[in-house]
Order: sequence, then structure tokens, then C-alpha cells
Amino acid sequence: GQNIDQPTEMTATEGAIVQINCTYQTSGFNGLFWYQQHAGEAPTFLSYNVLDGLEEKGRFSSFLSRSKGYSYLLLKELQMKDSASYLCAVRSRFSGGYQKVTFGIGTKLQVIP
Amino acid sequence: DAGVTQSPTHLIKTRGQQVTLRCSPKSGHDTVSWYQQALGQGPQFIFQYYEEEERQRGNFPDRFSGHQFPNYSSELNVNALLLGDSALYLCASSLREGADTQYFGPGTRLTVL
Repeated sequence: GQNIDQPTEMTATEGAIVQINCTYQTSGFNGLFWYQQHAGEAPTFLSYNVLDGLEEKGRFSSFLSRSKGYSYLLLKELQMKDSASYLCAVRSRFSGGYQKVTFGIGTKLQVIP
Repeated sequence: DAGVTQSPTHLIKTRGQQVTLRCSPKSGHDTVSWYQQALGQGPQFIFQYYEEEERQRGNFPDRFSGHQFPNYSSELNVNALLLGDSALYLCASSLREGADTQYFGPGTRLTVL
């Protein structure tokens, strides 16, 4: 089966940089996603990694190491609106070509002034 | 381009009742996945539909069933509701083939009293 671990809570200061780590164990790995979820809302897509390395998108970057089963989400120049839960999710491919996405518990990030 | 839509947004039921939730996928997507998200947890995979058939299923009892229609829209049915079924139910659409990400609808908040 799949197993995804990420810290449950983090606190960071406005304007600073924060790194949220995610480790996973899965078979048929076919990509890792990061989603942002504000309280009471649906998750919104942030980033996708399927090859090793860093993907940068504005203030958000995501890194993947497939051999280590490890990813991180880097948020720069933190803003108060970045206070949210950040979900790490792993996509696996099964026989027949069907894919399933498994989510971690989410990291609740609080940005303080 | 319409995104993923879900109805209703909120629903209150009592124990033992049955409920049907509805989802229309993003234009061009052919695969629908349903998730249950309890408070403070990450989304838990219920099942996935493609070509009007259930293709993958998570660890949910048979009380949870679904359907996909020829226009790719989908329904989630839950019978014999329990208090523990209270959660945010998320629908996500994607393409079976390709590396496109999965997009979420706004969710249906189900409360079982």
C-alpha cells in the first residue's frame, strides 16, 4: 500500500521562507502533487513533480527525489494568506493503466506577523 | 471553461438515511474520483470511475456506492448513514491517460445527526 508522512503543524513568520517535507512509500509511483487547502474549502493544485529535481513556480517551489521517496514544498516571501493546510499526494499507477492519488494528512501552516 | 462542480454544497441527514451527492467533471476530463475528508485529516480515497465503471476502490464499506453517466458526471451514494460519515466529500476529475493533474470540486459538506 501507500504511506505518506508530513509534519502536522508548522509556524513561520511573514516574509520568511518555510520548507514543508513529505516522505512516501509506494509502488507504481507516477507523480507527486502538492495542494493548498484553506479551512472549509477544497484543495487547490500547487505543483506536480514526476522527475527528480526542483520545479519553481513564483513564490512556490517543489522538489522530488524518487530514490529517497522524498519531496518538499518551499514557500518564499510568506504572506498571511499562505496560512493553510498543505497536502502532499502521491499518484500510483496500477495494472490496467488506472491511477490512484493518495493524500497525506496535511501540514497546517500558520503564518504569524 | 467550467471547472469541477458539485451539488449540493451542504446537506444535513439523520442516522440511517441515505444520501446522493453529485459531481460534474472539468470539461474534457473522463475520470472521476471521490474522496472523504474528515475534519483535520487529508482526503481519503473512496473510489474512481472511468467509462461508467468503478475502477479502483479504497477501504470503504459497501454502503458507499457510485455511478458514472455517459457524459462523465458521477454520483456518490451512501446508505444507512452513520454519525462518522459526517465529512467533506470531494470530487476530483482527471484524464485517465496523460500526466494532467487532478482538479477538485468545491465539495459537499455532509452532517449526520
